[in-house]
Amino acid sequence: AQSVAQPEDQVNVAEGNPLTVKCTYSVSGNPYLFWYVQYPNRGLQFLLKYITGDNLVKGSYGFEAEFNKSQTSFHLKKPSALVSDSALYFCAVRDSSSYKLIFGSGTRLLVRP
Amino acid sequence: NAGVTQTPKFQVLKTGQSMTLQCAQDMNHNSMYWYRQDPGMGLRLIYYSASEGTTDKGEVPNGYNVSRLNKREFSLRLESAAPSQTSVYFCASSEWFGPGTRLTVT
Repeated sequence: AQSVAQPEDQVNVAEGNPLTVKCTYSVSGNPYLFWYVQYPNRGLQFLLKYITGDNLVKGSYGFEAEFNKSQTSFHLKKPSALVSDSALYFCAVRDSSSYKLIFGSGTRLLVRP
Repeated sequence: NAGVTQTPKFQVLKTGQSMTLQCAQDMNHNSMYWYRQDPGMGLRLIYYSASEGTTDKGEVPNGYNVSRLNKREFSLRLESAAPSQTSVYFCASSEWFGPGTRLTVT
């Protein structure tokens, strides 16, 4: 069975500092991995995805994520955080042999001025 | 190009009433999904459809039915609504999400 874990309920970072939001996954085959952001009372916005190829994936709004197969991780990163990045972030995974897309519990990112 | 649309945006039902949430996409995607999001929680998969005419159960399918009659549309039906189904429902087409339907069951 596939699963995804976001071990931190909340991440706090100062504006201008680098940020990392962690995600680990478990699938039986090859993973397809996704990151989304959700602002209050809004839907989910797609940030980036890993299907195959380069382990470093670049996405929207300056975000990137690194796929690490040996650690089964797909952490979201940004070199310099903005206050406007404060939101709820979700990691999601599906097995390449299935269309079942499962989400983590979410991590709240708070960027302080 | 509207992306993923959902109707209605808001709905209030009484316990035992039925309703269908509609979702449509114009991106020619094969896969479509229905999720629910409860306050302060993540998204839980209700049903998904890998292609037209096929549907599969997700993590929390009980109390729901779905229909994928064509490639564009994927509907979610509550046959007999319960207060526990109060939630925000999101439809997705491949990795793109709709704006959501806020459902309250009293």
